[in-house]
Amino acid sequence: DTEVTQTPKHLVMGMTNKKSLKCEQHMGHRAMYWYKQKAKKPPELMFVYSYEKLSINESVPSRFSPECPNSSLLNLHLHALQPEDSALYLCASSLDGTSSYEQYFGPGTRLTVT
Amino acid sequence: GENVGLHLPTLSVQEGDNSIINCAYSNSASDYFIWYKQESGKGPQFIIDIRSNMDKRQGQRVTVLLNKTVKHLSLQIAATQPGDSAVYFCAETYSSASKIIFGSGTRLSIRP
Repeated sequence: DTEVTQTPKHLVMGMTNKKSLKCEQHMGHRAMYWYKQKAKKPPELMFVYSYEKLSINESVPSRFSPECPNSSLLNLHLHALQPEDSALYLCASSLDGTSSYEQYFGPGTRLTVT
Repeated sequence: GENVGLHLPTLSVQEGDNSIINCAYSNSASDYFIWYKQESGKGPQFIIDIRSNMDKRQGQRVTVLLNKTVKHLSLQIAATQPGDSAVYFCAETYSSASKIIFGSGTRLSIRP
C-alpha cells in the first residue's frame, strides 16, 4: 500500500469555525508533512513530523495547529482562518526525516474560507 | 537564496512529439533532484529522480538530465501523450535534509 489518504476532499468553513484535516498512511513511514498549495504555485512546506515529533515549523501562523497522534496519522487543526488561507492542503510521508527526497503525497484537501 | 525555478511557466506540444521541461536551481549544496507530475485535482506524483553524481537518468519514456556546471535540470518526455497533461515541478534537496524545495512549475498541454 503506497497510498496517502486525506479527508475531507473539500472543506468550506467560516472564519470563526474550527475544523480539522486528516491524513493517514500505512506504509510504515515515520516522517509526515503538511504543505499548502495556492493555485498555479508549487507546494509550500508548513510542518514536518519525524517520529511523531514536530521537527520543522516553517513560521506558520498559530491558527494552524498540527498534531501527530501516532505514526500513521497526521492532523491539521484549523481555527479562525482568513480567506487568504483558502488553498489545497497536501499531506505527504516519507520513510523517515532524512528521506525527504522520497515523499508520497496525498490528493489534498481543497479548503475554502468564507 | 536557496531557490529552484523554471524557465517556462507553460509548454504546449503536439501529441506524439517530445517534450522538454527545464529547471534552474541555485543551491550548490543540493545533491538530489526530483521531478513531480501534478494532475488537476491530485497531489504531486513522483516521476523520476537523479543524484548529483549522475548527469543522466532514464525511466519509462522520461529522461532527466543534470548539468551541475550551469545548475540546470531538464525533464524529457518522449512521444508525449494526452495523459501527460499536467503541471511538472522540479524539486531539490540534499543528503539527510528534512525537506525538499519545489520549483515554480511548468504546465504541459498537449495539442491533438
